[in-house]
Amino acid sequence: EAGVVQSPRYKIIEKKQPVAFWCNPISGHNTLYWYLQNLGQGPELLIRYENEEAVDDSQLPKDRFSAERLKGVDSTLKIQPAELGDSAVYLCASSSGTGGANVLTFGAGSRLTVL
Amino acid sequence: AQSVTQPDIHITVSEGASLELRCNYSYGATPYLFWYVQSPGQGLQLLLKYFSGDTLVQGIKGFEAEFKRSQSSFNLRKPSVHWSDAAEYFCAVGANTGGFKTIFGAGTRLFVKA
Repeated sequence: EAGVVQSPRYKIIEKKQPVAFWCNPISGHNTLYWYLQNLGQGPELLIRYENEEAVDDSQLPKDRFSAERLKGVDSTLKIQPAELGDSAVYLCASSSGTGGANVLTFGAGSRLTVL
Repeated sequence: AQSVTQPDIHITVSEGASLELRCNYSYGATPYLFWYVQSPGQGLQLLLKYFSGDTLVQGIKGFEAEFKRSQSSFNLRKPSVHWSDAAEYFCAVGANTGGFKTIFGAGTRLFVKA
């Protein structure tokens, strides 16, 4: 079974340009997460979806970040316009349920470099 | 507020030596605790988890962790480290506080020397 698939793996853009990341979760996993991982730090939640609904987007900078999960499967995270400080790894994860006991399965991440 | 502290930014051990990575958490109720490992260029992979019951839990790759409520700790151990264990290790707590959250520590990078 394929794991969580993310693309692109690497992206280099100039500041003020837009960028989008795509995630395909594990089949049957209803919950999808986008995490931000800065260099030398642990992952920080940006947004969590339960099916199509964004149930926790409190940490998503909504002035420049947006996300969608159409049909409750794949998801896209967009940044427009990108800033230098957005350089980081964007991790997607999925799980089969919700709650504190949930085990997350992560993708390999999308590394963004903003010049 | 819930938080996870990993006091060691990096640790170096010799191959074959024992390993202990420290983790302290802050959470008002009984926590769900996890250790994840991240190899270079890879996503995080679950090593082990603690939900309840026996406070010593076994995981994959020969790792174990012990939950100590009195110390708010969940330290990761391995009796004999292999070169392939070199990676970044993250402790995490799963909390249900007005919504589910998994909160990660900053990580400990493990270096293994021959």
